[in-house]
Amino acid sequence: GENVEQHPSTLSVQEGDSAVIKCTYSDSASNYFPWYKQELGKGPQLIIDIRSNVGEKKDQRIAVTLNKTAKHFSLHITETQPEDSAVYFCAAGLYNFNKFYFGSGTKLNVKP
Amino acid sequence: GAGVSQSPSNKVTEKGKDVELRCDPISGHTALYWYRQSLGQGLEFLIYFQGNSAPDKSGLPSDRFSAERTGGSVSTLTIQRTQQEDSAVYLCASSLGGYWGSGNEQFFGPGTRLTVL
Repeated sequence: GENVEQHPSTLSVQEGDSAVIKCTYSDSASNYFPWYKQELGKGPQLIIDIRSNVGEKKDQRIAVTLNKTAKHFSLHITETQPEDSAVYFCAAGLYNFNKFYFGSGTKLNVKP
Repeated sequence: GAGVSQSPSNKVTEKGKDVELRCDPISGHTALYWYRQSLGQGLEFLIYFQGNSAPDKSGLPSDRFSAERTGGSVSTLTIQRTQQEDSAVYLCASSLGGYWGSGNEQFFGPGTRLTVL
């Protein structure tokens, strides 16, 4: 099955700086890569996703890049704010199947 | 509108006891998923329902774990003869159904924190 690795496990940045979280996946058949944000005491929430037919997708301050050849994808958050502090999960799977595999999570702390 | 709800929010039980965890999906969502989140770990897929049937049970860790869904709505995850390693947050999610990714975002509940003493 698919194996998703995520780094770093914790990330601390100063407000206004950028944050980058990286993930690798093992199954070259995977073609859908969502990112979830989990705030304390809540369930994860989808923040952005990318399909393998594009290399980059951006939504305001967040962007995701995908390198299919290297089998890795990254989340970029610019101009970080304290409310960005949360645990972020990457995931990989097949677009047409109801199952995907999550990374182990990155705890992001944005210091005011 | 109402999101995915789970009950109880916290459950403390003794080793060897059975527990039932409940999930109420968003109304109209035909797909339902259970995940387990252990401390410091990612989300481990357990089982997926489409309507009342479970086409994928591959993530259930042992035969002590079972789940059912009735009426295409509420689902119950049952863990029999609980062990300490079952301690985790159990998350439920739902989506409109059909194939995820096709605009079928999974919406998560707040989870049930299970502690097995």
